[in-house]
Amino acid sequence: DAKTTQPPSMDCAEGRAANLPCNHSTISGNEYVYWYRQIHSQGPQYIIHGLKNNETNEMASLIITEDRKSSTLILPHATLRDTAVYYCIVRSYQAGTALIFGKGTTLSVSS
Amino acid sequence: DSGVTQTPKHLITATGQRVTLRCSPRSGDLSVYWYQQSLDQGLQFLIQYYNGEERAKGNILERFSAQQFPDLHSELNLSSLELGDSALYFCASSGGGGSYNEQFFGPGTRLTVL
Repeated sequence: DAKTTQPPSMDCAEGRAANLPCNHSTISGNEYVYWYRQIHSQGPQYIIHGLKNNETNEMASLIITEDRKSSTLILPHATLRDTAVYYCIVRSYQAGTALIFGKGTTLSVSS
Repeated sequence: DSGVTQTPKHLITATGQRVTLRCSPRSGDLSVYWYQQSLDQGLQFLIQYYNGEERAKGNILERFSAQQFPDLHSELNLSSLELGDSALYFCASSGGGGSYNEQFFGPGTRLTVL
């Protein structure tokens, strides 16, 4: 699976948009980009995933660059409850289905 | 609530002992995954079962074993425990064998080895 690079930490003011970047320059054509988050030792929570088109759900939006070498997770109106570690994961359907977690980005939302 | 349940929530035991962690997947999910999260190693994939059969192995020690039963619940057995086995153990489930299905995680079991 392709490796990902994320900043170790980011800050965001409550009510503002949080934009979390992820680099995956070695991503292959059949690999998806997944985002999970983990709130303080709870089980990781699925947020969103995409292949090459931008995706949006009730939690977030995922913007994938045209060359697919990077992506941005957008939380449109961050709240204190969004404080968590956010993991960007690239998965190949040929390599099995386990999630390979990196160190992620610790997002701190403050009032 | 992800629909995945894990028991017990906390487990305290001594070195050399053996423990069993239990996971019940979401209704209808055929795949169960086990992950270990320790302070120094982060979240690591241990093993996956699909409909009762082992599907993939990650960084699972030989002292650890798992199985998935006909009712699809799974157990992770840890033996000859060492201090370094202290960690959070998460179970996750997903709907099928394909990798596109998102995984839903349980609340975890916190294991402390003294």
